[in-house]
Amino acid sequence: KQEVTQIPAALSVPEGENLVLNCSFTDSAIYNLQWFRQDPGKGLTSLLLIQSSQREQTSGRLNASLDKSSGRSTLYIAASQPGDSATYLCAVIDGANNLFFGTGTRLTVIP
Amino acid sequence: ETGVTQTPRHLVMGMTNKKSLKCEQHLGHNAMYWYKQSAKKPLELMFVYSLEERVENNSVPSRFSPECPNSSHLFLHLHTLQPEDSALYLCASSRRKSVLAGNEQFFGPGTRLTVL
Repeated sequence: KQEVTQIPAALSVPEGENLVLNCSFTDSAIYNLQWFRQDPGKGLTSLLLIQSSQREQTSGRLNASLDKSSGRSTLYIAASQPGDSATYLCAVIDGANNLFFGTGTRLTVIP
Repeated sequence: ETGVTQTPRHLVMGMTNKKSLKCEQHLGHNAMYWYKQSAKKPLELMFVYSLEERVENNSVPSRFSPECPNSSHLFLHLHTLQPEDSALYLCASSRRKSVLAGNEQFFGPGTRLTVL
């Protein structure tokens, strides 16, 4: 069964710092990988989706990479802002479009 | 209304109550999903409905009963729940239940359920 792990579980950084969130998965036979943001008590907002044929995706200050063979993905956030404070979830997607989630990294950006 | 909406946003119920959660999508999608998010656990897929198939999940207790009357609406009927069923229930939809490009899942805001 696919297991997704996110490290660290929580992270606090001062505003302006660059940071990296990590995601690892046990079964490399995935189709896509997706990063989401979740604000407290809210639903999920998709940030980036990396297809299995791609190695990275960029959107603004966010850059996500994927290494299928090693079962790893990273989400890089440049020049962090207080508005980036949220929980970041990684999900791997199998051939039936089923999503397997990690438990998330709770990010706090301190002004 | 746009996107995926869920009602109610918050629900408190006793163990003997019967209630229903509602999800509606305004995206013209043909697949809808129910997820459960418990504290300190990953989101878990509960049910999937699509034009191609209805996926039953035998690991979900029968006290949760899904209903999908059409492609825009999805319900989760709740009956004799337990306190450990307290969680955030999220609905999602996608164009099709296929991993091909353009079938990304879009999530609603969730219903926060508390079972006393």
